[in-house]
Amino acid sequence: EAAVTQSPRNKVTVTGGNVTLSCRQTNSHNYMYWYRQDTGHGLRLIHYSYGAGNLQIGDVPDGYKATRTTQEDFFLLLELASPSQTSLYFCASSTGQNTLYFGAGTRLSVL
Amino acid sequence: GDQVEQSPSALSLHEGTGSALRCNFTTTMRAVQWFQQNSRGSLINLFYLASGTKENGRLKSTFNSKESYSTLHIRDAQLEDSGTYFCAADNAGAKLTFGGGTRLTVRP
Repeated sequence: EAAVTQSPRNKVTVTGGNVTLSCRQTNSHNYMYWYRQDTGHGLRLIHYSYGAGNLQIGDVPDGYKATRTTQEDFFLLLELASPSQTSLYFCASSTGQNTLYFGAGTRLSVL
Repeated sequence: GDQVEQSPSALSLHEGTGSALRCNFTTTMRAVQWFQQNSRGSLINLFYLASGTKENGRLKSTFNSKESYSTLHIRDAQLEDSGTYFCAADNAGAKLTFGGGTRLTVRP
């Protein structure tokens, strides 16, 4: 069974704060993704990567940076968090030609 | 950009009954995936289809790439089937576009 682990599961920060969300996959997948989920918008792609050191821009990248340090690890960085970034964040991995496997999600609140 | 339109946005079923969810695509898609988001918020893979039909228990999905749609049929609905169902599709890249979801409520 494919495994994608996100941490933390919950995070509260203040406006202007610095937040890093972590994701690790043990599936040997090349592709990793960061999505946010908001009521009324479904899942929207922030950034994705097809390998260590690679970064591709998604559909809603503003205010987010990401870094893929290894094949297993993909990080999402909010350097100046804003209340509009309060959301449920999902990481996922895939081979790029097959099923997407999701982590359990990180609920972020920016006060 | 690519659009994935899901319908209905909400659906209520009595236990033991069934229905179909649909996704329409505005461009030709290479493959479609279906997910269930359960009450805990977890996203569970249901199907991946590049063409044709797949069946798993009480669920069956079809993908017609030529006519740009996919369906998910649920039969003999159970309470644990409640949740939100999403389709997602790609047009030959690794970047998927998600539909807005169908919120399914199964009632006793």
